[in-house]
Order: sequence, then structure tokens, then C-alpha cells
Amino acid sequence: NAGVTQTPKFRVLKTGQSMTLLCAQDMNHEYMYWYRQDPGMGLRLIHYSVGEGTTAKGEVPDGYNVSRLKKQNFLLGLESAAPSQTSVYFCASSLRTGGLSGANVLTFGAGSRLTVL
Amino acid sequence: AQSVTQLDSQVPVFEEAPVELRCNYSSSVSVYLFWYVQYPNQGLQLLLKYLSGSTLVKGINGFEAEFNKSQTSFHLRKPSVHISDTAEYFCAALSGGYQKVTFGIGTKLQVIP
Repeated sequence: NAGVTQTPKFRVLKTGQSMTLLCAQDMNHEYMYWYRQDPGMGLRLIHYSVGEGTTAKGEVPDGYNVSRLKKQNFLLGLESAAPSQTSVYFCASSLRTGGLSGANVLTFGAGSRLTVL
Repeated sequence: AQSVTQLDSQVPVFEEAPVELRCNYSSSVSVYLFWYVQYPNQGLQLLLKYLSGSTLVKGINGFEAEFNKSQTSFHLRKPSVHISDTAEYFCAALSGGYQKVTFGIGTKLQVIP
């Protein structure tokens, strides 16, 4: 199994351009997440989804949009890129959360490095 | 207050020496706790997790962590580190009604030959 696959792995944008990051998982996971990783700030949650057709805001959602039209895919969009969005973006998925049933162990993709000039 | 606090941003340690990476959590997150490891240019992978039961949790690669409710801590330990343990380590906790995972800022472990 491929697990969690992110495309593209690298991208350079100019300020104001738009782009979409694609995350695909083949584990039939219900929950999917987009994080950004910046030096000294750890991982911060951008948006997440608890099922097909649902999305919710994380702690840093401004400037991003997401869609979960199919259970296996979670798209992260930047409508008008800004230099502050230069970061490494990680997608993750999990089978379920809560309780003693394995409680939301995340499987991560390899990351997408985005540079906005 | 930060939900998950990692007290050290970098920890240098000599090869074969013991190491402890510290993590404290606040009441705003659950007591379902995790440690993840990130090797250079890779995604994160699970080291170990605490859900309930024994407060000493063993994970992969010889790591273990102890859950301490009174001190709201979940410190990670290894009795003897190897060069291959050089990586960034993240403490994390379930939050937001168990739908979200909140991460600390990470601790870079540098193992010195």
C-alpha cells in the first residue's frame, strides 16, 4: 500500500498565484488533516475533515481552502499565495479518534515544500 | 497557554548516553498522548502512544515514555542513543473532542559521535 501520497513534492509560486495540493490515501481512513510545519513552530493544523463531504477549520485556516469530495482525497487550495505561506505542508489521515480503539494514530505523507516569492 | 509544551528545542547528547525529552500538556487537551519522530526530509511516524493503563509505555527503537498525571507530563526516554536517533521528536495530544491532534513545537535530538 502507498499510504498517504502528496503531490506535488516541491512548488515555487509567485505572490498572488493560486495552486492546489493533493493528498490521497488508500487506507480507507475517515479523518484527514492538513498541517503546515515552520521552524520553531512545530506543526499547526490548517483544516481537517472527519468524513467525505465535511471540512472544518484548524488553528491557522486563513488564506487556505479545502475540499473532500471523495473519501480518499483531501485537497488544499491557496487562492492567492503570499510569502507567509512559504512552508512545508503535511497531509495526514487516521482511521478514527477517541476511546481505546486505537485513538487517532496519524499516518503522514512525505510533505510538500512550497515557496512563495 | 500552549496545549502541548516541549521544554527543549534542541538536545545534544553523546552516542550511547541516555536521553530524556520533556513534554507537558495542559488541561485543554485530552490525556491521549503520543510521541512522533521525523527523520530529515521525511514525514512524521509514530514512536509510541498512551491511551490508558500502565503509565510506562514502550515504543519502537528502544524508546519509552512515562505518563504522569500529577505533573501533567509525558517525557520520552532512551537509555542509550545511537547516531541513527538523530531526528526531530514531537509530543502530541488529542484535542477538540478527540477529532484533532495538537503538536508541540518539537525537540531536535542531535546525537554526537
